[in-house]
Amino acid sequence: SQQGEEDPQALSIQEGENATMNCSYKTSINNLQWYRQNSGRGLVHLILIRSNEREKHSGRLRVTLDTSKKSSSLLITASRAADTASYFCATDVKKTSYDKVIFGPGTSLSVIP
Amino acid sequence: DVKVTQSSRYLVKRTGEKVFLECVQDMDHENMFWYRQDPGLGLRLIYFSYDVKMKEKGDIPEGYSVSREKKERFSLILESASTNQTSMYLCASSFMGGYTEAFFGQGTRLTVV
Repeated sequence: SQQGEEDPQALSIQEGENATMNCSYKTSINNLQWYRQNSGRGLVHLILIRSNEREKHSGRLRVTLDTSKKSSSLLITASRAADTASYFCATDVKKTSYDKVIFGPGTSLSVIP
Repeated sequence: DVKVTQSSRYLVKRTGEKVFLECVQDMDHENMFWYRQDPGLGLRLIYFSYDVKMKEKGDIPEGYSVSREKKERFSLILESASTNQTSMYLCASSFMGGYTEAFFGQGTRLTVV
């Protein structure tokens, strides 16, 4: 399986509810990032959390990181129809001369108006 | 605003053709990446470059090559296109260092017939 894997694969909620997505990874990381992809488009960066951080906020987004469990969660509060998208976690793998970033398969979020 | 521009949104090519996918970024980023995205598999790294004329193989380099003659431009080449290379191709760029976000182009949906 992959370095980073999101859970669930798909999520459907009503507008106004909170959405929680999880990401698990295997090897030690320097940082973990979350991205959003609207249908058929490129990815947009949401938030980066470093390995020495436990929680980070950005607007309606809250990301937590538990390095002992090798997992992260993305919480979107008070969801809107415009939040409908796929969400990916990305972890970095340290190499000798560069940092390699690996993406998980993503969580597809549908927010129903 | 950072801009990563891919030369085509949609492309249809015939089996055996040589295909060039171009990507240009305007932020003086050292790193540039080519990913392909297939349903359920997330983004898989094909090649990346951390400097002009430097390249590293990603996870799935077979059937692809790359060229980076100038810092702002990173080209992906399919030497002899095959139907299993039908996919969404995403270019990204970032600063060196591993602690910064990657900026993505809008993607090229390539169909090989």
